[in-house]
Amino acid sequence: EIVMTQSPATVSVSPGERATLSCRASQSVGSNLAWYQQKPGQAPRLLIHGASTRATGIPTRFSGSGSGTEFTLTINSLQSEDFAVYYCQQYHDWPPYTFGQGTKLEIK
Amino acid sequence: QVQLVQSGTEVKKPGASVKVSCKASGYTFTNFGINWVRQAPGQGLEWMGLISGQKGNTNYAQRFQGRVTMTRDTSTGTAYMELRGLRSDDTAIYYCARAYFDWFFDSWGQGSPVIVSS
Repeated sequence: EIVMTQSPATVSVSPGERATLSCRASQSVGSNLAWYQQKPGQAPRLLIHGASTRATGIPTRFSGSGSGTEFTLTINSLQSEDFAVYYCQQYHDWPPYTFGQGTKLEIK
Repeated sequence: QVQLVQSGTEVKKPGASVKVSCKASGYTFTNFGINWVRQAPGQGLEWMGLISGQKGNTNYAQRFQGRVTMTRDTSTGTAYMELRGLRSDDTAIYYCARAYFDWFFDSWGQGSPVIVSS
């Protein structure tokens, strides 16, 4: 089973600034990596797939990068609605699909 | 637009079973699989299994093998997840999510809370 590890667990950033979230896989997943956003009381929402392709309707301030075992989600010019929990997920080798434990992005 | 609408809150006693439904609309149901993912209170996301779109084949996470059954009704576009032998640590929100070519999960239901308590 591929283990996904996200860091940091919590990050505090001011509105208008940039946030950088990391995700590491225990073995290579190629570019088969997705990012999801989850707000309190809501279902997760797909942001990025293929490590760097924005899902339909996702603002351009969200960008993903990386391949193999190291991945980054960058959010530029943070808006109030961006403060949420973010999860990475690998779909390279399944079952099982595996998620990281999440990074909480909070307002500084 | 793609929409997944799930059944409501369930309260069950330990040892009981629960069956959660997920009604799909806005796309051809048999063209995409449905995943089930759960989230315990304050915790992360845990994949439980998948029922494929074309043939209805299932693939379960090992830890749920023997305790979970995923089915579907193609006439109504509804997927189901039944979990048996409920324990208190099965208390969670259960989500269905459409599988985009068995890769990532591009649409999610609103979640079905399941509470297991004596």
